[in-house]
Amino acid sequence: TQLLEQSPQFLSIQEGENLTVYCNSSSVFSSLQWYRQEPGEGPVLLVTVVTGGEVKKLKRLTFQFGDARKDSSLHITAAQPGDTGLYLCAGVGSTDSWGKLQFGAGTQVVVTP
Amino acid sequence: DAMVIQNPRYQVTQFGKPVTLSCSQTLNHNVMYWYQQKSSQAPKLLFHYYDKDFNNEADTPDNFQSRRPNTSFCFLDIRSPGLGDAAMYLCATSRERGGGSWEQFFGPGTRLTVL
Repeated sequence: TQLLEQSPQFLSIQEGENLTVYCNSSSVFSSLQWYRQEPGEGPVLLVTVVTGGEVKKLKRLTFQFGDARKDSSLHITAAQPGDTGLYLCAGVGSTDSWGKLQFGAGTQVVVTP
Repeated sequence: DAMVIQNPRYQVTQFGKPVTLSCSQTLNHNVMYWYQQKSSQAPKLLFHYYDKDFNNEADTPDNFQSRRPNTSFCFLDIRSPGLGDAAMYLCATSRERGGGSWEQFFGPGTRLTVL
């Protein structure tokens, strides 16, 4: 079992502030995904990273995959209330053959106006 | 748009009364998954289908069954729901992007209430 440790569990910030969420593991992932989930809805895929050292940007969101493909981070610049949600990182193990996701515990982000 | 569809979005059942949740996809992905998610927790995988091959997670209760009659549809049957089965049930599909990396897409979920 490959464990993904996600931190922090909870973040409450003011609109306009920056935030970073981390996912760490001792195992290598062939790909890692970040999702945002709003109450009563399914997780929505934000990004997939596959290459060590890869950096992807999605408007104010920056995603980074560690060089060794064991860790990842999500950075939000100038957070807005619409960024509020449960952020989940999930990785596919390098030995998995059917795309099984190992989830982090999730980070609940609350952005207040 | 191609997507993962779940019906119903909300389901209320009585303790012990069988219930079926449905999922369909227009993505033509060969892998489909069912997850259970409880409040503010990460989704917990129940089982998955790789084409017609069914794979149960070791800790999935026998009370949960699944059917996949074709590529597009997958069903979750809860034979005798207990109060502890009240949760959000998520269906997902996946495709391999190449090089061993996969990308998984979720449906909107079905919120199950057990009275």
